[in-house]
Amino acid sequence: GENVEQHPSTLSVQEGDSAVIKCTYSDSASNYFPWYKQELGKRPQLIIDIRSNVGEKKDQRIAVTLNKTAKHFSLHITETQPEDSAVYFCAASEIGPERFGAGTRLTVKP
Amino acid sequence: GAGVSQSPSNKVTEKGKDVELRCDPISGHTALYWYRQSLGQGLEFLIYFQGNSAPDKSGLPSDRFSAERTGGSVSTLTIQRTQQEDSAVYLCASSSQGATNEKLFFGSGTQLSVL
Repeated sequence: GENVEQHPSTLSVQEGDSAVIKCTYSDSASNYFPWYKQELGKRPQLIIDIRSNVGEKKDQRIAVTLNKTAKHFSLHITETQPEDSAVYFCAASEIGPERFGAGTRLTVKP
Repeated sequence: GAGVSQSPSNKVTEKGKDVELRCDPISGHTALYWYRQSLGQGLEFLIYFQGNSAPDKSGLPSDRFSAERTGGSVSTLTIQRTQQEDSAVYLCASSSQGATNEKLFFGSGTQLSVL
């Protein structure tokens, strides 16, 4: 089955700096790669996703890149703000249940 | 409904008791998922339902755990003879998955505490 590894487990940045979170996956058949944000005490919510037919996708300050050959994908957040502080989860799947990485706790210091 | 609904939001039980957790997915969503999140941990897959297909139970941690989905809508996760290590937040999600995977919409979870 799919195995997703996520790094780093914690990340602290200064407001305005960029943050990068990386994930690797094991199943070359995976073709859907979403990222979820979970604020303290709340449910996870999708912030961006990418499919295997594209290498990069951007939505305002958030971008995701995908390298299918190397089986890794990354989340990039630019101009970080305190409200970006949360736990971020990556996931990978083909059809069926998404397998999640262990999460990255991002702290943005004002 | 407007979103995925889970009940109860909190459940405190004694070790050895059975519990039932309920999930009401977004209307029209064919796929339903159960995940478990222990304190400060990641999202552990438990079970997946898609339409009329046989459920994917590969994530269930023991035979004390079972789930069903009636009429392609509401799902119930049952934990028999609860143990303290079952304490966690149980999250349900649904999606409009068809030929491809789509984004998951999560419920607010059931916080289970086994004393």
